[in-house]
Amino acid sequence: EAGVAQSPRYKIIEKRQSVAFWCNPISGHATLYWYQQILGQGPKLLIQFQNNGVVDDSQLPKDRFSAERLKGVDSTLKIQPAKLEDSAVYLCASSPLGGELFFGEGSRLTVL
Amino acid sequence: DQQVKQNSPSLSVQEGRISILNCDYTNSMFDYFLWYKKYPAEGPTFLISISSIKDKNEDGRFTVFLNKSAKHLSLHIVPSQPGDSAVYFCAASTHSGYALNFGKGTSLLVTP
Repeated sequence: EAGVAQSPRYKIIEKRQSVAFWCNPISGHATLYWYQQILGQGPKLLIQFQNNGVVDDSQLPKDRFSAERLKGVDSTLKIQPAKLEDSAVYLCASSPLGGELFFGEGSRLTVL
Repeated sequence: DQQVKQNSPSLSVQEGRISILNCDYTNSMFDYFLWYKKYPAEGPTFLISISSIKDKNEDGRFTVFLNKSAKHLSLHIVPSQPGDSAVYFCAASTHSGYALNFGKGTSLLVTP
């Protein structure tokens, strides 16, 4: 069974530029999550989707971050404009209803 | 506001001995607890979980203990192996399948 796919693995941008990350969850998983992991900290939830609807986006900085999950499958997370403090690993995870989370390898963002 | 706390950033154990990783939580609504293991440049992988109706769950070399009155859980690995060297994250949610709140992680080093 294929795991959660994320791209790109690494991205370096300058502050005020924009960036987008893509996630393809495990087939059949209804729930998709985006987490932000800053160096030395645990993953922090940014947004949770159930199919193509948003369940929780209370910790998403909506002035600069946006996410969508078209057709309830793939998802994209966008940052515009990026700030220095957005440097982190962005982790996508998916789960079947009521099950454990399966994580992708993450997308490492460096903002200069 | 860190609801899941791992107060030991690192732990070093000799091969063959027991590793004990600790985790405390503050939210009494949490009723599902998990441990994830993370190697460098990879996403976290699920290790073991426990629901609040139990006080112990065992899977091979890994055992998780839950003390609800103390809001404390621990992961025991016995015997420890060099391949167990990784960062271990404690996580909790209010229901199975809901978004996870993570601790900052404990880096375990198992020496030969």
